[in-house]
Amino acid sequence: GAGVSQSPSNKVTEKGKDVELRCDPISGHTALYWYRQSLGQGLEFLIYFQGNSAPDKSGLPSDRFSAERTGGSVSTLTIQRTQQEDSAVYLCASSLDALTGRGRLNTEAFFGQGTRLTVV
Amino acid sequence: QKEVEQDPGPLSVPEGAIVSLNCTYSNSAFQYFMWYRQYSRKGPELLMYTYSSGNKEDGRFTAQVDKSSKYISLFIRDSQPSDSATYLCAMSDRGSTLGRLYFGRGTQLTVWP
Repeated sequence: GAGVSQSPSNKVTEKGKDVELRCDPISGHTALYWYRQSLGQGLEFLIYFQGNSAPDKSGLPSDRFSAERTGGSVSTLTIQRTQQEDSAVYLCASSLDALTGRGRLNTEAFFGQGTRLTVV
Repeated sequence: QKEVEQDPGPLSVPEGAIVSLNCTYSNSAFQYFMWYRQYSRKGPELLMYTYSSGNKEDGRFTAQVDKSSKYISLFIRDSQPSDSATYLCAMSDRGSTLGRLYFGRGTQLTVWP
C-alpha cells in the first residue's frame, strides 16, 4: 500500500504478557517514529529512527519498552510484562526527513492508523 | 511545565464561524511549526507547516507563528462540519533532520450545521 501500515489494529492482552506491534513505513522513507496517545492526551514521543544513525530512545518510558527497525524498513515495538497503564493507541509515522531544494526540511510525517492496545 | 501547551477544549462553533486554535511553547530552539488534524480513530495528518516566524495561508486555513511570544495559531475561516476533528500543534528544533516532534495535547473542534 501507499501509506504507513500498522498491525494489529487492535490488541487485547492480559497484564504481564508481552506484545509486539508492527509498523510498515512508506517505501523510501528514512525516518520512522513511534508515539503513544492516551485518551484525552497528546502524542507522547517514544522513539525515532533515522537511517543508519543510532535511534533516539529518549521517550521510552521504561526498560519494558524496546523497538527495532530491521533493514531500514519495518519496525517492531515490543512491550514486555504489560501493565494496565500501557493501554493506549500506539502510532507509527514515517517521513522522508530530507532537505528540499530550498534547503528547508520536508517536514511531513505520515501516520498509520495506530494499534489500540488494551491491557486487562 | 510541558514544552508545548495547548488548550484541549472542546470547542464548538456554528458552521461559517472563524475558528482560532493556539499553542504556546517554551523551547526557543523550535524552528518548524506544524498543525496536524486527526479524525476520530484515525492517525493525524499534516495540515500546514511554517518555518520560523510569519504567516502562511492555504485556502481557508492560516497559520501564524510569533517566535518572540512563543505562540502559534491556526485560523479556520468559513468553518465547515467536515472540519470537526482534533487539531494538534507540533514543533521541531532540528535543522538538517526533523527529529522528534513535540506535540500539544490537541484541541477537539466541533462545527455544527
